[in-house]
Amino acid sequence: ETGVTQSPTHLIKTRGQQVTLRCSSQSGHNTVSWYQQALGQGPQFIFQYYREEENGRGNFPPRFSGLQFPNYSSELNVNALELDDSALYLCASSWGRGDSPLHFGNGTRLTVT
Amino acid sequence: AQSVTQLGSHVSVSEGALVLLRCNYSSSVPPYLFWYVQYPNQGLQLLLKYTTGATLVKGINGFEAEFKKSETSFHLTKPSAHMSDAAEYFCAVSRASGGYNKLIFGAGTRLAVHP
Repeated sequence: ETGVTQSPTHLIKTRGQQVTLRCSSQSGHNTVSWYQQALGQGPQFIFQYYREEENGRGNFPPRFSGLQFPNYSSELNVNALELDDSALYLCASSWGRGDSPLHFGNGTRLTVT
Repeated sequence: AQSVTQLGSHVSVSEGALVLLRCNYSSSVPPYLFWYVQYPNQGLQLLLKYTTGATLVKGINGFEAEFKKSETSFHLTKPSAHMSDAAEYFCAVSRASGGYNKLIFGAGTRLAVHP
């Protein structure tokens, strides 16, 4: 069983740039959720994708967007990067839209300078 | 609305001592409750979860938690700490609504274990 993998592991960008983070879900999972974890805080829900459609979103601006592909992998895109976007971005996969447990990847550490 | 409060951002125990990490929640619907552990430079690993049924939940690595509705608490315990338990622990609440499952996390408690 392959777990959740995220790439890249680390990334440094400049304010105003755009970034794409990638996530491969665990085999058998069809739902992907993205979380932002700022330093010293708990993860915050960004959005969830189920069968290639966004079906839930947290309190994040539209410059945070995503995609889910037919193989259930996913991308998180952030436009017009701000310094406060510096964080660990976690991807989690699960089965269905209900309360099945989330399986997290190791995250992508984004630094915006 | 749902929220989670973890009491104590840092907890330090001696190896072999009892571990107690506190979590209180707020939820307008019967909650599902979780504890996750995060080791340095890693993602989150599920320790245990409560959905329905027995209020004492046993998880991995010797951890357990008890759901107390009257106290809106879900404290995590382990009888005897190991050095390898040093990590960040997060309590989370969820209940699928509107067709999607969202975890709401507390701010975390960093557990230090000293010899």
